[in-house]
Amino acid sequence: QVQLVESGGGVVQPGRSLRLSCAASGFTFSNNGMFWVRQAPGKGLEWVAVIWYHGSDSDYADSVKGRFTISRDNSKNMVYLQMNSLRDEDTAVYYCAKDSVATIFGVHYYYMDVWGNGTTVTVS
Amino acid sequence: DIQLTQSPSFLSASVGDRVTITCRASQGINRYLAWYQQKPGKIPKLLIYAASALQSGVPSRFSGSGSGTEFTLTISGLQPEDFATYYCQQANNYPRFTFGPGTKVDVK
Repeated sequence: QVQLVESGGGVVQPGRSLRLSCAASGFTFSNNGMFWVRQAPGKGLEWVAVIWYHGSDSDYADSVKGRFTISRDNSKNMVYLQMNSLRDEDTAVYYCAKDSVATIFGVHYYYMDVWGNGTTVTVS
Repeated sequence: DIQLTQSPSFLSASVGDRVTITCRASQGINRYLAWYQQKPGKIPKLLIYAASALQSGVPSRFSGSGSGTEFTLTISGLQPEDFATYYCQQANNYPRFTFGPGTKVDVK
């Protein structure tokens, strides 16, 4: 079945770095864009970053731009999030999610259809 | 950036109730809206995309409607497993998704 498994979370001091990983299985990984989404304790969902299926393009939320880098290795079915200069406000559960699209009457509608279980990052 | 608001923020309901949650966008987003359900300690689950298309496997008591700036998620006949937090998400600025703040549905 389609599965995403995150790893790499932990406790880190402010200003330090951490690298998250997400292992994908059960689908043709190189066909799909991939996202990182985070959720601070007791808060809502925040889109963090996206990488296109080919890995050549990416985009970031303003809150992490310049500090976080998303990358992928299609030969290993892996997506990564390199987090530098971590701040207290980066404390959250980090989910990777799979991009999906439905075409209805010729219009493409995008959404996240599969989510991993998340990995917890605590900056303290 | 497109902002999403949800109302109410919190809703108390009983099993069997009809529940409606509203999501409003700060500018028109056509039908580029999805709804997710998240239970405590669990991962988000896609319910609806394209404002009204039901994701495979989601019970038919869930329905979505709307376009432009106002959208609704309706649960027709609330079940015990439906007590959760519901988030709307805009995809008009794909891939820069934005989520609403969430609506928590709790037991009355």
